[in-house]
Amino acid sequence: GENVEQHPSTLSVQEGDSAVIKCTYSDSASNYFPWYKQELGKGPQLIIDIRSNVGEKKDQRIAVTLNKTAKHFSLHITETQPEDSAVYFCAAAETGYSSASKIIFGSGTRLSIRP
Amino acid sequence: DAMVIQNPRYQVTQFGKPVTLSCSQTLNHNVMYWYQQKSSQAPKLLFHYYDKDFNNEADTPDNFQSRRPNTSFCFLDIRSPGLGDAAMYLCATSSYDGYTFGSGTRLTVV
Repeated sequence: GENVEQHPSTLSVQEGDSAVIKCTYSDSASNYFPWYKQELGKGPQLIIDIRSNVGEKKDQRIAVTLNKTAKHFSLHITETQPEDSAVYFCAAAETGYSSASKIIFGSGTRLSIRP
Repeated sequence: DAMVIQNPRYQVTQFGKPVTLSCSQTLNHNVMYWYQQKSSQAPKLLFHYYDKDFNNEADTPDNFQSRRPNTSFCFLDIRSPGLGDAAMYLCATSSYDGYTFGSGTRLTVV
């Protein structure tokens, strides 16, 4: 089955600097890679996702890159702000129209933004 | 707005007393999932439904059961909660376009 590894487990950056979180996956059949932000006491919120037919996707200060050959993908947050402090999870899944996909999460990164 | 709603947000139950958590969706997704998440760990999949087909993860304890009476609703039953079952329980739905998570129910066992 799929295995997703995520690094680092904790990350502290100065406000305004960039943050990068990296993940690797094992199952070459995975084709959907979402990133979730989870604040204390809340459920995971999707912040950006990428599919295997795309190498990079950007949404304002957030970008995700995917290297299918190496089976790794990364989250980049630029111009970090205090409200970016949270736990971030990467995930991988094989999606299809006729079957249920199981999303497998990485172990999470606790991001702290220093004022 | 289309969404996944979990009730209640917080649930306290006694050790060994059966408890049911509920999830409803307005997205009309045919797949629904239950995840267990313990303090800052990654969510762990317990089981999922594809329409009415139930799929249990191999390591999900027998103490956990689920019901899906219709497309919109799914329930998680914990038959005899132990202290180790205290966690956040997340419901999610999916379609080809992606997943949607509910806000979760935090279960406390006393």
